[in-house]
Amino acid sequence: KAGVTQTPRYLIKTRGQQVTLSCSPISGHRSVSWYQQTPGQGLQFLFEYFSETQRNKGNFPGRFSGRQFSNSRSEMNVSTLELGDSALYLCASSLRFSTDTQYFGPGTRLTVL
Amino acid sequence: DAKTTQPPSMDCAEGRAANLPCNHSTISGNEYVYWYRQIHSQGPQYIIHGLKNNETNEMASLIITEDRKSSTLILPHATLRDTAVYYCIVRAYNNNDMRFGAGTRLTVKP
Repeated sequence: KAGVTQTPRYLIKTRGQQVTLSCSPISGHRSVSWYQQTPGQGLQFLFEYFSETQRNKGNFPGRFSGRQFSNSRSEMNVSTLELGDSALYLCASSLRFSTDTQYFGPGTRLTVL
Repeated sequence: DAKTTQPPSMDCAEGRAANLPCNHSTISGNEYVYWYRQIHSQGPQYIIHGLKNNETNEMASLIITEDRKSSTLILPHATLRDTAVYYCIVRAYNNNDMRFGAGTRLTVKP
């Protein structure tokens, strides 16, 4: 079974631009969570989607948003990019949002110049 | 904030067992203990999880103390490819918001 895939793997943007990252969960998985990882803050939870609805949200500004499609694929968007948004963005999928294990994708490395 | 405490780094000789401790003294009754590892900024890899009983799979064993306030991840025969940052996470039964701490950087040496 194919794992979680994320596109693109690497991205370079400039301040003020916006960016959209994509995540395809493992087939049959309906929950998708997004995380930001930086050297200073470590891995931080952004939000989780299940059945096209946002279930949980971390402590990030409104510039960070996401959505989930009917096929469980998810996108996250960051508007008005700041230098501090440079990070590895990770997507994880699970069957449901209960006890099921989350499986992570390889991540998208975003660099903001 | 992460609800776990782990040593920042550990070394282990290749072929020996690696025992990684984790303290989670404020764990609630409905919270599981999960272990992940991350190699070279790749996506974290799931290792094992448990509630109160010891667990074993093809990768590792998880020993949880009777009071559930701490646990130990055991890699029975560490290899150089096990060098990674290991994260211990407590997670509620119905919550996908996993709070990662700083983890333990395990270095397996030849």
